[in-house]
Amino acid sequence: QSALTQPASVSGSPGQSITISCTGTSSDFGTYNYVSWYQQHLGKAPKLMIYSVGTRPSGVSNRFSGSKSGNTASLTISGLQAEDEADYYCSSYRTSDTLIFGGGTRLTVL
Amino acid sequence: QVQVVESGGGLVKPGGSLRLSCAASGFTFSDYYMSWIRQAPGKGLEWLSYISGSGTTINYAVSVEGRFSISRDNAKNSLYLQMNSLRAEDTAVYYCARVGDTWPFDCWGQGTLVAVSS
Repeated sequence: QSALTQPASVSGSPGQSITISCTGTSSDFGTYNYVSWYQQHLGKAPKLMIYSVGTRPSGVSNRFSGSKSGNTASLTISGLQAEDEADYYCSSYRTSDTLIFGGGTRLTVL
Repeated sequence: QVQVVESGGGLVKPGGSLRLSCAASGFTFSDYYMSWIRQAPGKGLEWLSYISGSGTTINYAVSVEGRFSISRDNAKNSLYLQMNSLRAEDTAVYYCARVGDTWPFDCWGQGTLVAVSS
């Protein structure tokens, strides 16, 4: 099963906003709003940042927001901070009753 | 505090077997689906399998179906992954994760490293 499609890398300066896209298919994003986003710092376990397309778990900064249009989901980080530098992964539930991750996006804060 | 802790990783020869464990605490274990996810060195996340709270619903990724088996013991608040016929490409950090209502992985362990090499 092919991964969801994410850009390999994005970058931004402190204080700026960036958006990471995640493209799926009719079998995942086109059917469900079960899109999640994860942040993973080097050598650490992933951390849930967004679920159900745009809901933030308790404790996650409101600088992180999510959205979906058609078969593409997006994670936007506003007011970039040095600590946001990490890898970001999207995921979705699929009609095959399986789950899938995106290939991951490396965010560099310049 | 909600927590999951993996154990059981190590070095195994190609064709060998290994059983991973995940100990859960801080929540009613039987109320939640649980999942295994892995990450090969320098690579992205790969979902492997999930199991329902009762253990009656199970699904696998194509890459491991027939070789890996997920199970749970709710009396022991524990999740397991039996891995057979291991290959070099199974080398990865294996994570246990709790699954939320709308399929987010909302609590992750620190991972356990499995290395398959002769």
